[in-house]
Amino acid sequence: DIVLTQSPATLSVTPGDSVSLSCRASQSISNNLHWYQQKSHESPRLLIKYASQSISGIPSRFSGSGSGTDFTLSINSVETEDFGMYFCQQSNSWPRTFGGGTKLEIK
Amino acid sequence: QVQLQQSGAELAKPGASVKMSCKASGYTFTSYWMHWVKQRPGQGLEWIGYINPSTGYTEYNQKFKDKATLTADKSSSTAYMQLSSLTSEDSAVYYCARVGSSGYGDYWGQGTTLTVSS
Repeated sequence: DIVLTQSPATLSVTPGDSVSLSCRASQSISNNLHWYQQKSHESPRLLIKYASQSISGIPSRFSGSGSGTDFTLSINSVETEDFGMYFCQQSNSWPRTFGGGTKLEIK
Repeated sequence: QVQLQQSGAELAKPGASVKMSCKASGYTFTSYWMHWVKQRPGQGLEWIGYINPSTGYTEYNQKFKDKATLTADKSSSTAYMQLSSLTSEDSAVYYCARVGSSGYGDYWGQGTTLTVSS
């Protein structure tokens, strides 16, 4: 199985900061990597598909980059509504796997 | 608009089985696969498997092969997941998610909370 390792586990930031979240795959997955946001007691929401492709309705401050084994989700000028958990997921092979998540919290 | 409406919370005893549902609306049910994902309290996401509602084909994460059974009813646009031989380790929120051939979940249900307790 492909293991996705997310770092850091927790990121404490002030609204207005810009941040980068990392997701590293145990083997190359090309660009078959997707990012989700999950707020407390809510379902995951798709933010970025195929490493860097934007999703309709998602604010432009969210962007993704990377390919192969190293991927980054960037948030330009974090807003209070952005706090929560972020997960990456690979669709390169079966079984599908998720990263352990990064918690974005208010400093 | 696309909606996935999951069935309500379940309370089950150890050793029992439960069957939860995910009713799809707003799109052609047979055009997308339905995936199921487990999330234990305060934990990450685990992929259980998927069903192709058009053909009934299923694929499971090996870890859940003897635990979960996925089915779908085209006439009611509803996907089901049955979990058997329940233990406390099965207590979790279970999500259904619409997934195209692309591999990402663009719409998710609200989740069904399963509590296994005697």
